[in-house]
Amino acid sequence: DAGITQSPRHKVTETGTPVTLRCHQTENHRYMYWYRQDPGHGLRLIHYSYGVKDTDKGEVSDGYSVSRSKTEDFLLTLESATSSQTSVYFCAVKQGLNQPQHFGDGTRLSIL
Amino acid sequence: KNQVEQSPQSLIILEGKNCTLQCNYTVSPFSNLRWYKQDTGRGPVSLTIMTFSENTKSNGRYTATLDADTKQSSLHITASQLSDSASYICVVSRASGGSYIPTFGRGTSLIVHP
Repeated sequence: DAGITQSPRHKVTETGTPVTLRCHQTENHRYMYWYRQDPGHGLRLIHYSYGVKDTDKGEVSDGYSVSRSKTEDFLLTLESATSSQTSVYFCAVKQGLNQPQHFGDGTRLSIL
Repeated sequence: KNQVEQSPQSLIILEGKNCTLQCNYTVSPFSNLRWYKQDTGRGPVSLTIMTFSENTKSNGRYTATLDADTKQSSLHITASQLSDSASYICVVSRASGGSYIPTFGRGTSLIVHP
């Protein structure tokens, strides 16, 4: 258990509203990641962080922003949610480059 | 294009039987390959990691192989148990700008029947 908590675990919201998902970790991992998982696709990287205030884009970053102001928290924001962003979102952490990623249990987001 | 293809897409076996899952990749430059197990409603959990120089790695009843020349990997599960029912995901990472960028396969859904 890598001490990862994702919140909320489930959320239903309307198109056009802002949404923020939180990933909280308790073990001081350096690297943090946000993925989305959709039927017919593998996990796809949205954004990742390699330190406080150090973030970079993944392959599906359009429509998403992130912030990491503290080591333990990595926030994913949908500024104006669209139905195409309905998905299961996973946060992952790892300590070093050659270490495995440890995943949270996901946030199921539905945008109507 | 960096891709990871897994086969079969789904598999049903009887408890106690063995099975083998396949992973082909085009990710470059290759850094490492991991197999993850994802139970329904949970996040993936790492089973094995293999680097370029390794061709076999075991973790209990799970044995992964890697052929870096043909860019293929397999995950063999021995004496399957009901708890092996899950999605198995192959992940290949490439080195990029001082970091490792993972590419995930779509997974193989394994169902073990009693």
